[in-house]
Amino acid sequence: EPEVTQTPSHQVTQMGQEVILRCVPISNHLYFYWYRQILGQKVEFLVSFYNNEISEKSEIFDDQFSVERPDGSNFTLKIRSTKLEDSAMYFCASNTRVTGTDTQYFGPGTRLTVL
Amino acid sequence: GNSVTQMEGPVTLSEEAFLTINCTYTATGYPSLFWYVQYPGEGLQLLLKATKADDKGSNKGFEATYRKETTSFHLEKGSVQVSDSAVYFCARLNSGNTPLVFGKGTRLSVIA
Repeated sequence: EPEVTQTPSHQVTQMGQEVILRCVPISNHLYFYWYRQILGQKVEFLVSFYNNEISEKSEIFDDQFSVERPDGSNFTLKIRSTKLEDSAMYFCASNTRVTGTDTQYFGPGTRLTVL
Repeated sequence: GNSVTQMEGPVTLSEEAFLTINCTYTATGYPSLFWYVQYPGEGLQLLLKATKADDKGSNKGFEATYRKETTSFHLEKGSVQVSDSAVYFCARLNSGNTPLVFGKGTRLSVIA
């Protein structure tokens, strides 16, 4: 069964450094998402992406964040200058372009630790 | 707003006990409703879903019925196992490709 994959599984970085989190969505999916989960808290939406542009973003997704689909398979989340409060689990998700309700499938997540 | 409220955890049950995790949503539009499960150290997995009123989602012995009159989508299982220990998230989706809105999650621990 196709699945969403994410790399790395765990990223440790120093405050102020740039990080890029990578995702490979399911191959026939056209909508992509990033969510994050701060330890012990709920899962929060960051951004959605379709047709090479951002569809929707939350107030969490400020100028420090950017997303890109650099080729036909990868979908990346970049944090330009990490802060301690960016430490969280970051989940990528994807779904098809079927109209009406469609299930979002999640990757296993990347745990980001900012020191 | 478009919120989801889950019962606070943690919930600790003995094996073979009956499980209910309450979830209610704000009655804005006609959302689809989901339960996701997060096993220790893993990502989010879809457990079940329901797309309209009176639909029942079911999977792995878990069930939830979309109740429009009470704006609820409570998760139930008749006999839990130790392997069901995880965090359970209720979520809503307003339309096809909008963001999921999650509840805070309920941690379930099942002891032998």
